[in-house]
Amino acid sequence: AQSVTQPDIHITVSEGASLELRCNYSYGATPYLFWYVQSPGQGLQLLLKYFSGDTLVQGIKGFEAEFKRSQSSFNLRKPSVHWSDAAEYFCAVGPPGGTASKLTFGTGTRLQVTL
Amino acid sequence: GAVVSQHPSWVICKSGTSVKIECRSLDFQATTMFWYRQFPKQSLMLMATSNEGSKATYEQGVEKDKFLINHASLTLSTLTVTSAHPEDSSFYICSASSAGVAKNIQYFGAGTRLSVL
Repeated sequence: AQSVTQPDIHITVSEGASLELRCNYSYGATPYLFWYVQSPGQGLQLLLKYFSGDTLVQGIKGFEAEFKRSQSSFNLRKPSVHWSDAAEYFCAVGPPGGTASKLTFGTGTRLQVTL
Repeated sequence: GAVVSQHPSWVICKSGTSVKIECRSLDFQATTMFWYRQFPKQSLMLMATSNEGSKATYEQGVEKDKFLINHASLTLSTLTVTSAHPEDSSFYICSASSAGVAKNIQYFGAGTRLSVL
């Protein structure tokens, strides 16, 4: 069965510092990979996705993620964090191909940004 | 583009009553909609998947008679929590996807917080 692991429950970084959020997955094949962000009491916003091709993908708000097949990882990065980035971040996987199918989410990483 | 509206954003009801939550795709036709439940500080758990004009497919452990899902049009799906009890209190989130543009992406609503007294 597929699973997604986000090993860091809570991360605190200073504004302006770099950020890396970890995501590892277990899947039979290379899945479609997603990062979503959730602000308190809000729904999820798609930051970026990987389907195929270039393993370094760029997203919104200055985020990027790198797919590493050998490590079954899809870590999210940002060179310089802003206070507004404080939120919950979810990594998700879905079956490759076809129309949108059910996603499996990680347990999330809560990002706190100190000024 | 790809805006999903969910209503209401917050609802309080008495135990034993039913509550309906609406999920609308505002600028695209949603061939598939998904309903999730999220407990505090936890991840999203898929409850059911619905395709327009078809019966919803429920995940294991989700009571079909408890959580009624209707996807009558390409822009609207509803989740009705019947005979709600305090244990049904949670954050419910819908998402929608299109078989056309960006077909592999789910766009999420802002969620509905249900509190059952």
